[in-house]
Amino acid sequence: GAGVSQSPRYKVAKRGQDVALRCDPISGHVSLFWYQQALGQGPEFLTYFQNEAQLDKSGLPSDRFFAERPEGSVSTLKIQRTQQEDSAVYLCASRTGGSYEQYFGPGTRLTVT
Amino acid sequence: LAKTTQPISMDSYEGQEVNITCSHNNIATNDYITWYQQFPSQGPRFIIQGYKTKVTNEVASLFIPADRKSSTLSLPRVSLSDTAVYYCLVGDLTGTASKLTFGTGTRLQVTL
Repeated sequence: GAGVSQSPRYKVAKRGQDVALRCDPISGHVSLFWYQQALGQGPEFLTYFQNEAQLDKSGLPSDRFFAERPEGSVSTLKIQRTQQEDSAVYLCASRTGGSYEQYFGPGTRLTVT
Repeated sequence: LAKTTQPISMDSYEGQEVNITCSHNNIATNDYITWYQQFPSQGPRFIIQGYKTKVTNEVASLFIPADRKSSTLSLPRVSLSDTAVYYCLVGDLTGTASKLTFGTGTRLQVTL
């Protein structure tokens, strides 16, 4: 079956631009996570949704980062007024309720110039 | 969350068994040990998870001593395609949120 998909795969933004990154989780997966991965580092947690409810956004680095999942399926991570330090790979993962295994998408590589 | 320590990198030849050890001295009673694998330009992929003793699946084995302060991921007869970064994670992953906390991982390089 289809896995987690993310789009775009690559995004180049000029400093100060807004960007929107999309995640299509595996159908029926209740939980959705966003992670940020800097070059050479492991992924770091950003935020978590259970269905449409954002239950944990403790990892969002600033108020320029905003995530939503209005219908409990597709999720969008928005970054306003991008800065160079936002350059990273943004990973989305989904999980069924009660399962411990997270399924990751391929990520979106964001480069801010 | 329990902090983990694992080697930054390892090298192996194709066909050998590779053992990657992770230390987690302050593991909590409810914590599980989980390993993920990540190839370049891909998201991490679940390999194996365990609580104590030994767990084996079709790709790896996980050895956990009685004190659970460390664990060893064993990859039998590695091939070039096993070249990847391997992450050891420790935490209570059965809860509602269960966000994953990755370290820097172990970069495994397999050569001929």
